[in-house]
Amino acid sequence: DAGVTQSPTHLIKTRGQQVTLRCSPKSGHDTVSWYQQALGQGPQFIFQYYEEEERQRGNFPDRFSGHQFPNYSSELNVNALLLGDSALYLCASSLDSQPQHFGDGTRLSIL
Amino acid sequence: DAKTTQPTSMDCAEGRAANLPCNHSTISGNEYVYWYRQIHSQGPQYIIHGLKNNETNEMASLIITEDRKSSTLILPHATLRDTAVYYCIVRVARTSYDKVIFGPGTSLSVIP
Repeated sequence: DAGVTQSPTHLIKTRGQQVTLRCSPKSGHDTVSWYQQALGQGPQFIFQYYEEEERQRGNFPDRFSGHQFPNYSSELNVNALLLGDSALYLCASSLDSQPQHFGDGTRLSIL
Repeated sequence: DAKTTQPTSMDCAEGRAANLPCNHSTISGNEYVYWYRQIHSQGPQYIIHGLKNNETNEMASLIITEDRKSSTLILPHATLRDTAVYYCIVRVARTSYDKVIFGPGTSLSVIP
């Protein structure tokens, strides 16, 4: 039973570019949440998708957007990349009130 | 902001019990206490959660005080593979309020 998978594992972009990160949830899960984790800090909640709609959002600008597909997979898009967007981006999936399961993340570096 | 406070770091001798404390003095009646850990270069891993009763699973035990203002995660026989950052989180376990707010966590080092 595959857990949460994220792609790519590493990515290098330059300032001003746009990036798309992908997440496949654990089998049977229908909710996907995205987190940003800067070096040495805990993950920060970006937003959550359920039934293909954004259900909750953290304190992140509109440059961060997402999408959920009918098969429950999800994408995180970041526009106009800034140096401060360099971080580990984590995807977590869940079903109802069960604990979230996390992927191993995408390491995004902005030059 | 995170609703929990934890020590920044702790050491534990291999084979001994690791007791990781967490304060959550503003916890609400419908909020659960969750513990996750994050080993270097991996995503957070769920360990255990509880509401008011003590809980035990194959990984750890969770002791919640009677007033629910603090809890302790116990790893009964710590191994080197338990070296990780441990996060204590309070969370309302309802489908519409699934946001998980992480603090900086406790960095546990298991020493040979």
